[in-house]
Amino acid sequence: AQKVTQAQTEISVVEKEDVTLDCVYETRDTTYYLFWYKQPPSGELVFLIRRNSFDEQNEISGRYSWNFQKSTSSFNFTITASQVVDSAVYFCALLVGGSQGNLIFGKGTKLSVKP
Amino acid sequence: SQTIHQWPATLVQPVGSPLSLECTVEGTSNPNLYWYRQAAGRGLQLLFYSVGIGQISSEVPQNLSASRPQDRQFILSSKKLLLSDSGFYLCAWSVGAGSGEAFFGQGTRLTVV
Repeated sequence: AQKVTQAQTEISVVEKEDVTLDCVYETRDTTYYLFWYKQPPSGELVFLIRRNSFDEQNEISGRYSWNFQKSTSSFNFTITASQVVDSAVYFCALLVGGSQGNLIFGKGTKLSVKP
Repeated sequence: SQTIHQWPATLVQPVGSPLSLECTVEGTSNPNLYWYRQAAGRGLQLLFYSVGIGQISSEVPQNLSASRPQDRQFILSSKKLLLSDSGFYLCAWSVGAGSGEAFFGQGTRLTVV
């Protein structure tokens, strides 16, 4: 069975702090994709990143970085020098290859960045 | 460019009333379409997905149904709403079968009273 676990329900940090959001996934498939989405207060999910199971290179995009480790089935997301605008709920999701695109979401982590 | 429209944004309906939420996608052909529900304090749960006109797959047995009358139109319905149907409903689309990211609409917040 496929599953995504985001153990951190809520995180609160002060602006300019670094913060890491954890994501652990379960799947027996060898081909899969991992995603992070941001859900601001407006509700719409905003796509942040996709990684496939054959590419373990870490990725950096501005203040965002992602650490994919197959050995621990984790796909963690770090925000460096957090800002108030980063406040949102962040979802990690798993897509198993050939599954017609059905994303399996974690329960999300609510990040609050205080000024 | 592709866009996805979902309406209404908010809805308050009495128990036992019918429901119809509509989602349309522009700028792409033959997308995969999805309905997700986000209950308070929980993650997103896939309700229905469709790979083509008239083709609907249900992930969770429930009081809801979905239809795809046109290539880029996806409708979520209920004949009689329950209190437990309250939640945030999101429509999404993706290109083809499972590898690409899904793009989401702005959601409908449904409150059943």
